[in-house]
Amino acid sequence: GESVGLHLPTLSVQEGDNSIINCAYSNSASDYFIWYKQESGKGPQFIIDIRSNMDKRQGQRVTVLLNKTVKHLSLQIAATQPGDSAVYFCAENEASGTYKYIFGTGTRLKVLA
Amino acid sequence: NAGVTQTPKFRILKIGQSMTLQCTQDMNHNYMYWYRQDPGMGLKLIYYSVGAGITDKGEVPNGYNVSRSTTEDFPLRLELAAPSQTSVYFCASMQGSTDTQYFGPGTRLTVL
Repeated sequence: GESVGLHLPTLSVQEGDNSIINCAYSNSASDYFIWYKQESGKGPQFIIDIRSNMDKRQGQRVTVLLNKTVKHLSLQIAATQPGDSAVYFCAENEASGTYKYIFGTGTRLKVLA
Repeated sequence: NAGVTQTPKFRILKIGQSMTLQCTQDMNHNYMYWYRQDPGMGLKLIYYSVGAGITDKGEVPNGYNVSRSTTEDFPLRLELAAPSQTSVYFCASMQGSTDTQYFGPGTRLTVL
């Protein structure tokens, strides 16, 4: 897979602003997408998911948008807080009905006070 | 519920040594997974299991083995450790109906 090593894409936002993290996927057979948050030294934690029959799904302070035409997924975090600082991964299933997932390389979100 | 637990948290191995990374979940989940995460990178699937007695290879299975004798446990075995296996290893489980994976805290392995 793509390697970014220490050059993990980083998004810096001011506390209180909205954050938008993007993810491109290539597998047309994927029909289920998930966003995970990974804090330093911890395992990934589920944030929100969306199925391919939806364009948008909202949670508490988070919204996921899915554009199947261009194979693009985004995570919007409203009123970003210091506790949102983490690496965010998108994941997609390999195909409908399978339980194997493909993870993106991640984006580091830094919240500036 | 403790969720997904992994032991050990840290381990240093010499080249050629073997070890077993333990993973246990108490949520009665059918699906279990092993991933490795190299520094600054995403997760790569090593092996997975859809139920007791059933395992299958993921993207990077070479150098590893697994077994699933019970629903709760899914140990990962490294037979001949190599420096390329230096990584953080995450175990995850999933019920199946929700498709949400729950991850353990990880095992940081260094092979020197």
